[in-house]
Amino acid sequence: AQSVTQLGSHVSVSEGALVLLRCNYSSSVPPYLFWYVQYPNQGLQLLLKYTSAATLVKGINGFEAEFKKSETSFHLTKPSAHMSDAAEYFCAVSGGGGATNKLIFGTGTLLAVQP
Amino acid sequence: DVKVTQSSRYLVKRTGEKVFLECVQDMDHENMFWYRQDPGLGLRLIYFSYDVKMKEKGDIPEGYSVSREKKERFSLILESASTNQTSMYLCASSSLILYEQYFGPGTRLTVT
Repeated sequence: AQSVTQLGSHVSVSEGALVLLRCNYSSSVPPYLFWYVQYPNQGLQLLLKYTSAATLVKGINGFEAEFKKSETSFHLTKPSAHMSDAAEYFCAVSGGGGATNKLIFGTGTLLAVQP
Repeated sequence: DVKVTQSSRYLVKRTGEKVFLECVQDMDHENMFWYRQDPGLGLRLIYFSYDVKMKEKGDIPEGYSVSREKKERFSLILESASTNQTSMYLCASSSLILYEQYFGPGTRLTVT
């Protein structure tokens, strides 16, 4: 069965600092992995996805994530935080197969950006 | 761009009322999903549908039902609303080929 663990429910960084949000997954099959962002009172927006091509995936808004099979990790990074990055971030895994393409979501990491 | 719309952004209902939440997608996606989101619990799958009139239970189906009469529309029904169903409800859709899901803006439901 697939599962996702996001380490740290709250992360605070200063504007201009590196953003690192951690995600570890468990999957019995080669996984597809996703990062989503949710701004207050909005739905989730896809940031980036890994689908077994390049292990370093670039997404929107300057974010990227690296798939590391040996560490079963898919951490999200951004070199320099902006105030507008303050939001909740969710990691998700798929790969269970079948027609439904269900995703399993982590419990989220709330990112605060301090001026 | 994929667009997923939900019938209401905010809804207030009384205990015992029957509540309908509607979701419409415009990308001809086969799969549609209903989640509820609560602080600290992330997203939990209530029901999903992979075709018209087809549905399967997710992780927390108790107290809910769904209807999918047309491919683009997926409704979530609370037969008799209770206060513990106060939550944010999110609808999503995806194609058979691609795994990523596209989300609507959410409905924040309060049951008093």
